[in-house]
Amino acid sequence: EAGVAQSPRYKIIEKRQSVAFWCNPISGHATLYWYQQILGQGPKLLIQFQNNGVVDDSQLPKDRFSAERLKGVDSTLKIQPAKLEDSAVYLCASSLGGQGWEQYFGPGTRLTVT
Amino acid sequence: KQEVTQIPAALSVPEGENLVLNCSFTDSAIYNLQWFRQDPGKGLTSLLLIQSSQREQTSGRLNASLDKSSGRSTLYIAASQPGDSATYLCAVKDGGYQKVTFGIGTKLQVIP
Repeated sequence: EAGVAQSPRYKIIEKRQSVAFWCNPISGHATLYWYQQILGQGPKLLIQFQNNGVVDDSQLPKDRFSAERLKGVDSTLKIQPAKLEDSAVYLCASSLGGQGWEQYFGPGTRLTVT
Repeated sequence: KQEVTQIPAALSVPEGENLVLNCSFTDSAIYNLQWFRQDPGKGLTSLLLIQSSQREQTSGRLNASLDKSSGRSTLYIAASQPGDSATYLCAVKDGGYQKVTFGIGTKLQVIP
């Protein structure tokens, strides 16, 4: 079974530029998560989708971050405009759905904002 | 607001030792708790998932326990090996809004 795919793996941009990350979850997984992990910290949940509906986006900085999950499969996370403090690893995870299922993570995208 | 704490922040042990990693959480109304390992520059690998109704889960040399009433979980690693060196994270899923909160992790080094 293929795992969670993410691209790109690395991205360097200047502040005020925009960037987009892509995630393809494990086939059949209804729930998709985006996390931000700043160096030395645990992952922080940005947004959780159940199919193509948003379950939780309370920690998503909506003035600059947006995310969508078209047709309940792939998802993109966008930052516009980027700030220096957005430098982090952006992790995507998926699970079968519902509350009880375990999460499987992709390799992450390392973003550096200069 | 759920807060998850992991102690110790870092741990160095000689190969072959048994060890315990701790995770505590402030709101006991959880749905489940999951332990992960993270290797440098990599994503997270799931180790064990404990549902709120369970007391423990085992996989190979790993055993995770959950005491929901006291807000604690432990990850026991038996006969540690250098390949176990990684950062271990616990994540709690709240029962209400299904929000997931991670601790900052315990960085483990097993010395050959």
